[in-house]
Amino acid sequence: EADIYQTPRYLVIGTGKKITLECSQTMGHDKMYWYQQDPGMELHLIHYSYGVNSTEKGDLSSESTVSRIRTEHFPLTLESARPSHTSQYLCASSEWGDTVGNEQFFGPGTRLTVL
Amino acid sequence: AQSVTQLGSHVSVSEGALVLLRCNYSSSVPPYLFWYVQYPNQGLQLLLKYTSAATLVKGINGFEAEFKKSETSFHLTKPSAHMSDAAEYFCAIIQGAQKLVFGQGTRLTINP
Repeated sequence: EADIYQTPRYLVIGTGKKITLECSQTMGHDKMYWYQQDPGMELHLIHYSYGVNSTEKGDLSSESTVSRIRTEHFPLTLESARPSHTSQYLCASSEWGDTVGNEQFFGPGTRLTVL
Repeated sequence: AQSVTQLGSHVSVSEGALVLLRCNYSSSVPPYLFWYVQYPNQGLQLLLKYTSAATLVKGINGFEAEFKKSETSFHLTKPSAHMSDAAEYFCAIIQGAQKLVFGQGTRLTINP
């Protein structure tokens, strides 16, 4: 079944730890995105990718980094987690195509808490 | 730059009543607009989208939205609310190369 997956769903970790949030999609989409969402707030784009070996920073500055070595995989890494990184992180993907307005499909999100 | 503003961070309606969630946009080019729904502890699901075809757009779960250029609006409606409609709703607009810019969200509560 074509879908987009995120692991872990919930993560509680101490300050200073390195973490990687996983995102994988089985839809063959070229474009992938990471959004950050604080509780009760809107989503902000922090990273996106047009395809393999392509990564771009989004509108909201983030200390996280991303990589895109395989089409289906777009992990997000925080080298040293801090309490200010506590948030929900949502991964999404969409087709490339020429059609502006291609739907973005979202994963279930990872809720990160840094103590 | 394109942006959207959702009027009302919280809307409460009775079951069976009309649902109206407001979204106004700002865009220097013809906009592409979306409504997404987010259920608790889940990701976002597309309800409907406007891409310059018909101004009245029908989506899933009985929702629809009307694009009104004169009012720069894209309000979401549903004739009769159901308890299962309780969720957070986000209006969004395309900016640049398929980057979505989201509104602040509206939490919809359904009263029995």
